[in-house]
Amino acid sequence: AQSVTQLGSHVSVSEGALVLLRCNYSSSVPPYLFWYVQYPNQGLQLLLKYTTGATLVKGINGFEAEFKKSETSFHLTKPSAHMSDAAEYFCAVEGRGGGSYIPTFGRGTSLIVHP
Amino acid sequence: DGGITQSPKYLFRKEGQNVTLSCEQNLNHDAMYWYRQDPGQGLRLIYYSQIVNDFQKGDIAEGYSVSREKKESFPLTVTSAQKNPTAFYLCASSALLAEGATDTQYFGPGTRLTVL
Repeated sequence: AQSVTQLGSHVSVSEGALVLLRCNYSSSVPPYLFWYVQYPNQGLQLLLKYTTGATLVKGINGFEAEFKKSETSFHLTKPSAHMSDAAEYFCAVEGRGGGSYIPTFGRGTSLIVHP
Repeated sequence: DGGITQSPKYLFRKEGQNVTLSCEQNLNHDAMYWYRQDPGQGLRLIYYSQIVNDFQKGDIAEGYSVSREKKESFPLTVTSAQKNPTAFYLCASSALLAEGATDTQYFGPGTRLTVL
């Protein structure tokens, strides 16, 4: 079984400030990990993913995330927030080799950016 | 351009009606999914399919039905048995990896269903 916890349903930052969105997971097998972004009334799109190799993953729009196995975490960061980053962010985990073919999504974190 | 499309973008249903939401992909993906999204509840899986003519129930399948007659198409029918269907519906597709997992999910733009 696998699960995802996103700490904080809303995160508020000022423009130019650091963005940190937290994601912790549980998985019985080494996971694939994903961050998706959703703008209002749109579908989700991939920001970045970790499958294997380097644990620091860089994505689109200046976001990056680090896979920390010991902490079972995959937190999303961006050094400087922009107004256009305001959106809903979802962390997802897929159990490698589990054969379920079903990723598990967190409940999402709404990022609010103040001018 | 390869992608996944959903139609219609907005749909209104009267009480007691069945409605069908369309989902088409030209990404040659084996797996397709339907999610329901309500405010503050994230994505909840309704149905998924890994191969043509086969599909599995997700966490909230009651009141919904699907078919997978073609690899490219995975329509969702919201039946009158679904008592609270007003929501945002998302369709997604993904490739299946040799390791027994799915790759990135590609999402359609969504259909917003409202019950009148």
